[in-house]
Amino acid sequence: EPEVTQTPSHQVTQMGQEVILRCVPISNHLYFYWYRQILGQKVEFLVSFYNNEISEKSEIFDDQFSVERPDGSNFTLKIRSTKLEDSAMYFCASSEWLVDSRSPLHFGNGTRLTVT
Amino acid sequence: GNSVTQMEGPVTLSEEAFLTINCTYTATGYPSLFWYVQYPGEGLQLLLKATKADDKGSNKGFEATYRKETTSFHLEKGSVQVSDSAVYFCALSEVQGAQKLVFGQGTRLTINP
Repeated sequence: EPEVTQTPSHQVTQMGQEVILRCVPISNHLYFYWYRQILGQKVEFLVSFYNNEISEKSEIFDDQFSVERPDGSNFTLKIRSTKLEDSAMYFCASSEWLVDSRSPLHFGNGTRLTVT
Repeated sequence: GNSVTQMEGPVTLSEEAFLTINCTYTATGYPSLFWYVQYPGEGLQLLLKATKADDKGSNKGFEATYRKETTSFHLEKGSVQVSDSAVYFCALSEVQGAQKLVFGQGTRLTINP
């Protein structure tokens, strides 16, 4: 079964540094997402992306965050200047259509980001 | 706003025990409801879903019924196995064709042989 892949599985960075988290969504999917889970807290929506542009974003997704689909297969999340509170597990997801029961989200295994 | 509340974990059971993980939601409109499962070292996987009141989702022996009157979507399994040990997430999509899911906090389940 096709799957969403994320790299790296664990990223450690110093506060103020830029990080790029990478994802390869399922090839025939059209909608791409980033979620995050701070340790011990809920999984939170960050952003959705369709047709090469952001279609929805949460309050968390401020100017420090950006997403890009640089080629036909990759989908990246960039954090320009990391803060301690950005430490979390970041999940990439994709769906064939908009999220509903016929088109559920498919998640990657996550990238654990640790900001020191 | 819309929200999902799950029972606090962790939950520890013996093999073949009956499982219930409670989930209640607050939403406007008529959301779709989901249970996702995360096995150790893996991503979230869709376990089951329901789109309207009184629908029952089922998969791998797990069941959950969409109860609009109690705004609940409790996950049940009659006889759990060690391999069911995982973190379980209840979630809703706010409307059909939504852009995002709203998740509960997750419930860690451990099954002892």
